[in-house]
Order: sequence, then structure tokens, then C-alpha cells
Amino acid sequence: QKEVEQNSGPLSVPEGAIASLNCTYSDRGSQSFFWYRQYSGKSPELIMFIYSNGDKEDGRFTAQLNKASQYVSLLIRDSQPSDSATYLCAVKRGSNYKLTFGKGTLLTVNP
Amino acid sequence: DAGVIQSPRHEVTEMGQEVTLRCKPISGHDYLFWYRQTMMRGLELLIYFNNNVPIDDSGMPEDRFSAKMPNASFSTLKIQPSEPRDSAVYFCASSLHQGAVGELFFGEGSRLTVL
Repeated sequence: QKEVEQNSGPLSVPEGAIASLNCTYSDRGSQSFFWYRQYSGKSPELIMFIYSNGDKEDGRFTAQLNKASQYVSLLIRDSQPSDSATYLCAVKRGSNYKLTFGKGTLLTVNP
Repeated sequence: DAGVIQSPRHEVTEMGQEVTLRCKPISGHDYLFWYRQTMMRGLELLIYFNNNVPIDDSGMPEDRFSAKMPNASFSTLKIQPSEPRDSAVYFCASSLHQGAVGELFFGEGSRLTVL
């Protein structure tokens, strides 16, 4: 079982819709969860992080965490073509600075 | 402020040759990471340093790979001898201990092609 799993996509949504990106992880000791965005040919950049169960909102982005189900998701409201990118889920265990990434989900927002 | 700087941006070499990738982290950052990204395996951590000291090199694939950080502003990743399966994008990233833990600042990457 892979440590961090994501649907590779592509996930295609129309402009203005809600995009829902999902991630599961295998290590129950994981304590911190991150979403990075990577445009084609570019480097990853952090967009959200979450530590506690529940929802965390930042503008059009909402991260959701359910540690019991070992599940983390990212919702993007009012999706824009500029949101088209690969979204990488990453997890970290405790004070260890090692981040483990999923392979990413390719999101395409169609005008 | 300048971000993480990597060189070269692109490298094409032949199997068996030595490859050296370079990284200058963001000034003041005390963690430096080397990642490798491929379509098949995604983004994999190779090694990371704290205050120039290697902390975890369990991701280094084999003895052909080595990394050094002689000072706070410079790190190298060396592959000798290189093989076609080493073809990938190699990212260097840095992080500040007191910052949002897990917030890595990535360089633009070095795309390596081994023929």
C-alpha cells in the first residue's frame, strides 16, 4: 500500500464549479497534512495545510481532514481556468521534517 | 528576496557520466531537501539536511548518489555514474524551522536526461 494515495485524474470541471480533490494516507502517526499546487513545468507551491480534524477555509480553498478515516481533501470553490494544475497531497509524521507526497491529481478547469 | 536557486536547469548527458546538480537555498533557511520527480514514482525525498548536517538519506537510491552541504548557502547532489533510469526532475527545497512546518520553498528544478 502506497503511503499517500491520490486519484491521478484528470479531473475535469467547468468554470465556476466546485472541484473536489481527495487523498488517503496509510500512516496513522501522520499529524500534519498539506496541499501543494504544481503548474505544468513548474515547481510545487504550498496552498493549504491542516493539522486538526474538520475543515479549514482560506478564500476559495477548503481543506478537510478526517484522521479516523485517514482521509484529507481539498475543495476549490468557483473554480477558475487558472486553477488548472496538479495538486499534490503531502503528509508529515510528528516532528520529523520529512514530507511524503502523493503522485498528485491533475485538475483541468474548462472555460 | 531570491528564492531557491538551482543549476543547471537542464542537463543532457550520456550513461556513465558524472552529473552534479547545485542548489542555493533561501538565506536564513536551516533545512534543505533534495527531491526527485518522475511520472512513475511522483515526488520522492532523497535526502535532507538541517544546519548543513545530513539528517535522513534513506531515500538515496544507491551508492551512485551522494549529496553534500559544505555551508549554509550551497548544496550539491552528485550522480556517478549516471544511468538512464536516473532521468527525472530534481528539485531542491528549503524550509525555515520557525515557519509553517512543512512549508517547503522549491527551486525551479533541474531536468536531467541520461541517454
